[in-house]
Amino acid sequence: DAGITQSPRHKVTETGTPVTLRCHQTENHRYMYWYRQDPGHGLRLIHYSYGVKDTDKGEVSDGYSVSRSKTEDFLLTLESATSSQTSVYFCAISDLAGTDGGYTFGSGTRLTVV
Amino acid sequence: AQRVTQPEKLLSVFKGAPVELKCNYSYSGSPELFWYVQYSRQRLQLLLRHISRESIKGFTADLNKGETSFHLKKPFAQEEDSAMYYCALSQGGYQKVTFGTGTKLQVIP
Repeated sequence: DAGITQSPRHKVTETGTPVTLRCHQTENHRYMYWYRQDPGHGLRLIHYSYGVKDTDKGEVSDGYSVSRSKTEDFLLTLESATSSQTSVYFCAISDLAGTDGGYTFGSGTRLTVV
Repeated sequence: AQRVTQPEKLLSVFKGAPVELKCNYSYSGSPELFWYVQYSRQRLQLLLRHISRESIKGFTADLNKGETSFHLKKPFAQEEDSAMYYCALSQGGYQKVTFGTGTKLQVIP
């Protein structure tokens, strides 16, 4: 296995409710990322983390927040879900040291906001 | 700002025909470029990276700094190559990567 898991795999939620997606890694990688994948837009970075409690915004961060209290977990929260946040969400990890920059991706979470 | 452009949303080729998936980039620094592939219902996976100059599953890609391109090529397409392909650029540092919009490759039997 790739050492990275996302949960849940699928979720349907109502507009206005908060939603939290979880990314868990067993690789002890420093860097973690949340992307959303939409037709015609490819993958767009939402937030990323470069260490415990160190996070920063990506290009589409509005309406999302993240937390990283442990190396292995990176949580993505939709504070008040909207239909425009219906998407497939991918978590990725990387370890700068000793690598050439490739990411390892999770299997994705398909989120539908109704 | 860095940008990755994949001009084709869909590329259909016959089995055995050559394949070229186009990727152009804009970046003021020294780029690190990658190709990722996503087979149906699977996670994205790294296909190849320009710095290793390797060939994976028969695919190759050459970085052309003059034309700011990193096109993915394969001389003879196979049905199992049908997938979504993403070109990506890393700006180093935190290894934050920018992805193109993707090209769906459809290999017709």
